[in-house]
Amino acid sequence: TQLLEQSPQFLSIQEGENLTVYCNSSSVFSSLQWYRQEPGEGPVLLVTVVTGGEVKKLKRLTFQFGDARKDSSLHITAAQPGDTGLYLCAGVGGATNKLIFGTGTLLAVQP
Amino acid sequence: NAGVTQTPKFQVLKTGQSMTLQCAQDMNHEYMSWYRQDPGMGLRLIHYSVGAGITDQGEVPNGYNVSRSTTEDFPLRLLSAAPSQTSVYFCASRRAYDTEAFFGQGTRLTVV
Repeated sequence: TQLLEQSPQFLSIQEGENLTVYCNSSSVFSSLQWYRQEPGEGPVLLVTVVTGGEVKKLKRLTFQFGDARKDSSLHITAAQPGDTGLYLCAGVGGATNKLIFGTGTLLAVQP
Repeated sequence: NAGVTQTPKFQVLKTGQSMTLQCAQDMNHEYMSWYRQDPGMGLRLIHYSVGAGITDQGEVPNGYNVSRSTTEDFPLRLLSAAPSQTSVYFCASRRAYDTEAFFGQGTRLTVV
């Protein structure tokens, strides 16, 4: 059973639209990471958030860590076709700092 | 700097056969992990290691064995392959605590 649930599972939007991806858990994590994966490749880190309530911005991407450190969101403004890919959240937790991944959100941005 | 190297890239096995997926990293990272990726399931943790000689189970460990005799290498063994083990396998390494994980390019395994 995966501890991190992402929604939506699939998202197909037009270029220029905004979107938000959610990552939810009943567990507390010491940090939350967001990765992006392209076909045939391994995931690549976008950002790490470590403080409850923290907000980080990377150009058109805004990441937020929930106050209770159980959830996170990724908001993309004015999506572009280059944003297409699989977005994965990942939480670090437990005594041995395991890195557990969410179920993933597959984003397709149509030109 | 090669990063994380996985071999082979593709493999077809018959049910009941055994094999070892190789993973090596040259970044002197303490943590190494194996994940499998199936459609709609994200990445699920199979086994992980926090240092040489130390391994532990993840979310889906059944049917897989690991060992970590050196910092650099973390092989994953399938003892008796089953069709349910058809998947894409990723090896990852990272430093301890809340740090970035670096991934290999994956091994696409098909069990027939």
